[in-house]
Amino acid sequence: SQQGEEDPQALSIQEGENATMNCSYKTSINNLQWYRQNSGRGLVHLILIRSNEREKHSGRLRVTLDTSKKSSSLLITASRAADTASYFCATDWGGTASKLTFGTGTRLQVTL
Amino acid sequence: GAVVSQHPSWVICKSGTSVKIECRSLDFQATTMFWYRQFPKQSLMLMATSNEGSKATYEQGVEKDKFLINHASLTLSTLTVTSAHPEDSSFYICSASPGGAKAFFGQGTRLTVV
Repeated sequence: SQQGEEDPQALSIQEGENATMNCSYKTSINNLQWYRQNSGRGLVHLILIRSNEREKHSGRLRVTLDTSKKSSSLLITASRAADTASYFCATDWGGTASKLTFGTGTRLQVTL
Repeated sequence: GAVVSQHPSWVICKSGTSVKIECRSLDFQATTMFWYRQFPKQSLMLMATSNEGSKATYEQGVEKDKFLINHASLTLSTLTVTSAHPEDSSFYICSASPGGAKAFFGQGTRLTVV
């Protein structure tokens, strides 16, 4: 399977704390993306980082990419209860750019 | 941003019947769309690549005769689950892109086969 792995599988934090999720993948990539999924819903695109980039920011999100270790991390700062969701990394590695291989996901619970 | 609409959101069908799920790109054309399946508390697994005007490309282990894909126009792909069985119960979700790596996903369809 080409599927990457994420850890932790589940993360529970209090509102205001930071949440860090890690993703490891198996093959060379062109891009790595992070998506969010609320329970039983579709996926929302959060951020895309290219293979030649090492760090990217978007609002309260910070993504890092280490291609030598085939890993990425997603940091959500100052978390809110509304951030409660599952987070997936997804990679594309050639051919059709939007054909994605997803990681196993991290379920984030942010409590008040 | 680009919008992908999927219909229906949920469906319950009897074993042995067929179910059709539609995926539409509302504000862009997509020569390629993707179909994924997601079991509860698991990740998304790519089932097939839907190609406008040609046959779909299926991932290893996915039965093409069971999961029929038709991509007859640049804005519509359909997935038909034929002769559905309870083990086909899952969350099916499509994606498309107006270009580049960023994919836009439909809302997903929860299929329950009873």
